[in-house]
Amino acid sequence: SQQGEEDPQALSIQEGENATMNCSYKTSINNLQWYRQNSGRGLVHLILIRSNEREKHSGRLRVTLDTSKKSSSLLITASRAADTASYFCATAPTGFQKLVFGTGTRLLVSP
Amino acid sequence: DAGVIQSPRHEVTEMGQEVTLRCKPISGHNSLFWYRQTMMRGLELLIYFNNNVPIDDSGMPEDRFSAKMPNASFSTLKIQPSEPRDSAVYFCASRDQDRGMNTEAFFGQGTRLTVV
Repeated sequence: SQQGEEDPQALSIQEGENATMNCSYKTSINNLQWYRQNSGRGLVHLILIRSNEREKHSGRLRVTLDTSKKSSSLLITASRAADTASYFCATAPTGFQKLVFGTGTRLLVSP
Repeated sequence: DAGVIQSPRHEVTEMGQEVTLRCKPISGHNSLFWYRQTMMRGLELLIYFNNNVPIDDSGMPEDRFSAKMPNASFSTLKIQPSEPRDSAVYFCASRDQDRGMNTEAFFGQGTRLTVV
């Protein structure tokens, strides 16, 4: 399977703390994307990082990419209760148009 | 734009019945994906289309599953006959492939299928 893996599977923090999620994948990629899913809803795109980029920021989100290790991390700073959701990484394998999703991290932010 | 529209939102059917899930992608998007989500297997890519043509259906679990995209604004995923293990949330997503490889996908709200 090309499916990537994320860790931790679940993360529980307090509001104001930072949350870090990691993603590992198996193939060479064009880009890596992070998505968020609220319970019972569809996935929403958060941020995309290209294979030739190492770090990217968007608001409270910071994404890093290490193609030599085939890994990425998503950092959410100053978390809020509204950040409670599942977070998925998705890779766009080189030469393919598809997106392959990881196993996801369930984040719980307590007030 | 209303986003990717899937119907029905919920479907409960008896084992052996035919099930048809529908998807309307975002206007102008030329790539369409069908995913299945379960607790055990996560998000699995079943099939994707580019310009209405199926590109990769290697994720379709069995011959009981079929997908079509007769035009740029409509796709169906059909299961015949359905089985209890097909119970899952099925998502449709679309993307504007003409903008290049580095574009995001937009997801519908999903169809929750329960086969009893």
